[in-house]
Amino acid sequence: KNEVEQSPQNLTAQEGEFITINCSYSVGISALHWLQQHPGGGIVSLFMLSSGKKKHGRLIATINIQEKHSSLHITASHPRDSAVYICAVTGNFNKFYFGSGTKLNVKP
Amino acid sequence: SAVISQKPSRDICQRGTSLTIQCQVDSQVTMMFWYRQQPGQSLTLIATANQGSEATYESGFVIDKFPISRPNLTFSTLTVSNMSPEDSSIYLCSAGLAGGEQFFGPGTRLTVL
Repeated sequence: KNEVEQSPQNLTAQEGEFITINCSYSVGISALHWLQQHPGGGIVSLFMLSSGKKKHGRLIATINIQEKHSSLHITASHPRDSAVYICAVTGNFNKFYFGSGTKLNVKP
Repeated sequence: SAVISQKPSRDICQRGTSLTIQCQVDSQVTMMFWYRQQPGQSLTLIATANQGSEATYESGFVIDKFPISRPNLTFSTLTVSNMSPEDSSIYLCSAGLAGGEQFFGPGTRLTVL
C-alpha cells in the first residue's frame, strides 16, 4: 500500500468548472505539499501546509490532520491549469512520500 | 525560496554510455535530493546528496550506477552510468529548506536508445 493515495487519477473538466483533487496519507507527517507538474517535467510547489487551509488566487488547499486527508480545489478552471497535480508529504527525517498524481485536462 | 537549474534539460544517449546531470541552486541549502520519474509514474527518491560526504542511497539504488557528488552547498551532480533503455526517465533534483519545503529543478529528460 502506498503511503500517499490520490484520487482521481485522471480528471477532465470544462473551462470554468470547480475541481477537487483528494489526497489521503497513512504516515505521520510534518507537512503536506501540493505540487504541479507540466508536460515539460518541471515541478512547481503550490502549497505546503500542516493545518487548516491556504489560498493562492484560484487555488485552495485544505488539510484535516485527524482524518489524514487533504484536498486541492481549483475554482473557475482554465485550460492553462491542465497539468499533473501531485500530493506529497514530509515524513520522518524529512523524507518525501509522493502520490501517483492526478492528470487534469481542462477543455476550453 | 530557492531557484534550481539543471543541465542538460534533455539528452538522447546510447546504451552503455554515462551521462552526468548538473544541479545548481541559487542559494546555500542544507539538503539536496535526486529523484527519478519513470514514464507515467510518480517520483522515486534515488538519494540524498550530502555535502562533503558520500550520498545516502535509497533501497534499489547503488553508488556504482548513480554516483553523486556534492562539493558545496549550492551544487550537485548525478551520473547515470552504463545506461540501458530502462534508465529512460526524467531526473529531478530538489533542494530542501529548513522549514521542510522542497523546491524542484526543471528536470532532465533522458532517453536511452
